[in-house]
Amino acid sequence: EAGVAQSPRYKIIEKRQSVAFWCNPISGHATLYWYQQILGQGPKLLIQFQNNGVVDDSQLPKDRFSAERLKGVDSTLKIQPAKLEDSAVYLCASSLDGITDTQYFGPGTRLTVL
Amino acid sequence: GENVEQHPSTLSVQEGDSAVIKCTYSDSASNYFPWYKQELGKGPQLIIDIRSNVGEKKDQRIAVTLNKTAKHFSLHITETQPEDSAVYFCAATSSNTGRRALTFGSGTRLQVQP
Repeated sequence: EAGVAQSPRYKIIEKRQSVAFWCNPISGHATLYWYQQILGQGPKLLIQFQNNGVVDDSQLPKDRFSAERLKGVDSTLKIQPAKLEDSAVYLCASSLDGITDTQYFGPGTRLTVL
Repeated sequence: GENVEQHPSTLSVQEGDSAVIKCTYSDSASNYFPWYKQELGKGPQLIIDIRSNVGEKKDQRIAVTLNKTAKHFSLHITETQPEDSAVYFCAATSSNTGRRALTFGSGTRLQVQP
């Protein structure tokens, strides 16, 4: 079974530029999460989707971050404009449905903002 | 919201010794407690989980215990091996609502000395 795929794996940008990350969850998984992991800390939720609807985006800085999951499968996370403090690893995770708790994580995208 | 505290932040053991990592949580509604292992440059990998209706769970050299009254849970690794060296995260969430986002601890860096 293929795991959660993410791209790119690494990205370096200057502050005030924009960047986008892509995630392809495990086939058949209805629930998709984006987490931000700052160096030395545990992951923190940015947004949770159930199919193509948003379940929880209370921690998403909506003035600069946006995310979509238009067809209920792939998802993109965008930052515009980026700030220095956005430097982190962005992790995508998926779970089978809104009942099963087990979350499977992708390898992450390491973002460096200069 | 939920708050998860994890101790110690670093742990060094000799190969063959046991390692114990402890976590406390604040939300009495939390009922699912997974543990993840994260190796350098990779996403978190689920190693074991426990639900609130169970006090202990074991999988080969790994065991987790849960004390709901005290709101703490622990990871026990016996007969440690060099390949156990990684950062370990505990997490908690409640299955009672649609919001299944995990709240993570700050991580424990385990180093197993050969």
